[in-house]
Amino acid sequence: QKEVEQNSGPLSVPEGAIASLNCTYSDRGSQSFFWYRQYSGKSPELIMSIYSNGDKEDGRFTAQLNKASQYVSLLIRDSQPSDSATYLCAVNIGYNFNKFYFGSGTKLNVKP
Amino acid sequence: AAGVIQSPRHLIKEKRETATLKCYPIPRHDTVYWYQQGPGQDPQFLISFYEKMQSDKGSIPDRFSAQQFSDYHSELNMSSLELGDSALYFCASRPSGNGPDTQYFGPGTRLTVL
Repeated sequence: QKEVEQNSGPLSVPEGAIASLNCTYSDRGSQSFFWYRQYSGKSPELIMSIYSNGDKEDGRFTAQLNKASQYVSLLIRDSQPSDSATYLCAVNIGYNFNKFYFGSGTKLNVKP
Repeated sequence: AAGVIQSPRHLIKEKRETATLKCYPIPRHDTVYWYQQGPGQDPQFLISFYEKMQSDKGSIPDRFSAQQFSDYHSELNMSSLELGDSALYFCASRPSGNGPDTQYFGPGTRLTVL
């Protein structure tokens, strides 16, 4: 079992809609959770981080964490074609920050 | 602002050859991570270093070794290369004392094994 699981997609949404991306993780000892955006052939770019249960909002992005269900999600409001990319969920396991595991990513297509 | 530097950006090798990838972290960043990303795959954590000491190991093959030097740059050495080693190799750096938000990725080295 992979440490982090994501639906590979592709997820297609029309421009202006809400895109909902989901991620589950297996290790209950996970402490920190991240969403990265990656364009093809480019390096991952941090979008959001979340550490405690509940919602965290930053502009058009909202991350949601439910540790009891071992579930993390990312909502993108008012989706734009430039949001089209692969979104990677990453989890830090342990109390230091020296080991991260990524999910396989969800490819998002935002149609104009 | 300075970013993580990786060299070379592209590398082509034959099977059974060796390769060395270099990573220069952002100044004052003392933690370095290496990831391998195959085509259509997620980044796989290989290894990390903190203050020149190995910190954590992931799915790094025994054929690979890495180290962090006194100037904090890191090198990933890959021997007996196999076709399956063809991938993007990312390095990321982070300063100690700050949260994991500050893990910055380099542009990657694309390794092709023929």
